[in-house]
Amino acid sequence: AQTVTQSQPEMSVQEAETVTLSCTYDTSESDYYLFWYKQPPSRQMILVIRQEAYKQQNATENRFSVNFQKAAKSFSLKISDSQLGDAAMYFCAGGTSYGKLTFGQGTILTVHP
Amino acid sequence: NAGVTQTPKFQVLKTGQSMTLQCAQDMNHNSMYWYRQDPGMGLRLIYYSASEGTTDKGEVPNGYNVSRLNKREFSLRLESAAPSQTSVYFCATTWGATDTQYFGPGTRLTVL
Repeated sequence: AQTVTQSQPEMSVQEAETVTLSCTYDTSESDYYLFWYKQPPSRQMILVIRQEAYKQQNATENRFSVNFQKAAKSFSLKISDSQLGDAAMYFCAGGTSYGKLTFGQGTILTVHP
Repeated sequence: NAGVTQTPKFQVLKTGQSMTLQCAQDMNHNSMYWYRQDPGMGLRLIYYSASEGTTDKGEVPNGYNVSRLNKREFSLRLESAAPSQTSVYFCATTWGATDTQYFGPGTRLTVL
């Protein structure tokens, strides 16, 4: 069984500032991978970033980076230079074999101009 | 390329009615998935198809059936809709089990 926990129902940030969204992931599998998805009001699920558990290096995609602490089962998302378009619901998700993803409950991010 | 498409976008049913949600992909992906998203919750897996000709249950399969019609299409059927099935339904596809999943735009279903 896998569990994904996002403990921050809501977060806010000023435009151009940095914000970190938290996620913890627990699984008995040794091979797994983690994602952050963004869901704007349009409802579309958009991949933000992906991390393989076996990789030591934290994933980075432009202004988005993760801090993957395997022993602590922590997988946080850092958004640098926040933009108004970053406002959305953010979901952490984990997957193992067969591609079955388990999602957290989401964090609503508000960006203030 | 359309990517992943879902029909319909919106649907209202009465309790006991049946309907089929359609999902199609032109990404040549092998695996397809159906999720539901309830208010205040993340997505939960209903059924998945690892490859053409195979289907298997996810976390919340009760009240649903699926058909993997061919490599491109994966349908979700509600035989006798219940108010508890009011939700937003997402289809997703991926090339392999450990690859990134790509999602359709979702279907908002209301059961009265």
